[in-house]
Amino acid sequence: AQTVTQSQPEMSVQEAETVTLSCTYDTSESDYYLFWYKQPPSRQMILVIRQEAYKQQNATENRFSVNFQKAAKSFSLKISDSQLGDAAMYFCAYTSPMEYGNKLVFGAGTILRVKS
Amino acid sequence: KAGVTQTPRYLIKTRGQQVTLSCSPISGHRSVSWYQQTPGQGLQFLFEYFSETQRNKGNFPGRFSGRQFSNSRSEMNVSTLELGDSALYLCASSYFTDTQYFGPGTRLTVL
Repeated sequence: AQTVTQSQPEMSVQEAETVTLSCTYDTSESDYYLFWYKQPPSRQMILVIRQEAYKQQNATENRFSVNFQKAAKSFSLKISDSQLGDAAMYFCAYTSPMEYGNKLVFGAGTILRVKS
Repeated sequence: KAGVTQTPRYLIKTRGQQVTLSCSPISGHRSVSWYQQTPGQGLQFLFEYFSETQRNKGNFPGRFSGRQFSNSRSEMNVSTLELGDSALYLCASSYFTDTQYFGPGTRLTVL
């Protein structure tokens, strides 16, 4: 079964600094997608970034970027110039369309605290 | 485009009752998925509907059911509520099999 592991239950970062959240996954599929979602205290799940497995280039979205290591099955999220509004729970998620359609498998989440 | 909407946002029910939650996807999206979020179990997939057909189902008892209408709106129903059904229920939509966008959730409390 596909699994997603986030080994850091909680992380802290100083405002304006950089933080990296870790995620590893287990799959035997070659075609899959990986996501990072952010869930602030409002509980609204917000897409941060997505990565297609067939793309070697790491995805970036403004201050957010990923380090996708396919062979190592690692998918970390780097947040640069951290802002107070980045404080939230971050979830790493996996899906394999051919095998599971749209089913997302989530990690346990990492709480990110941003200090001013 | 308007985002995914879910109604109601909050619900309080008692054990044994049944409940229906509604989800309206982003316009043009044909896939709707439902997830349950609890502190103990995290985020778990309930089921997905695409073009009015259930395409995938998670490991939940038959008390949990859903359906999708021709306009892609979806409902999920939980019958014979148990205390353990208290959770945040999230709905997500996508055009086909791609990025899912989530609604604000329905918080269900079972007393």
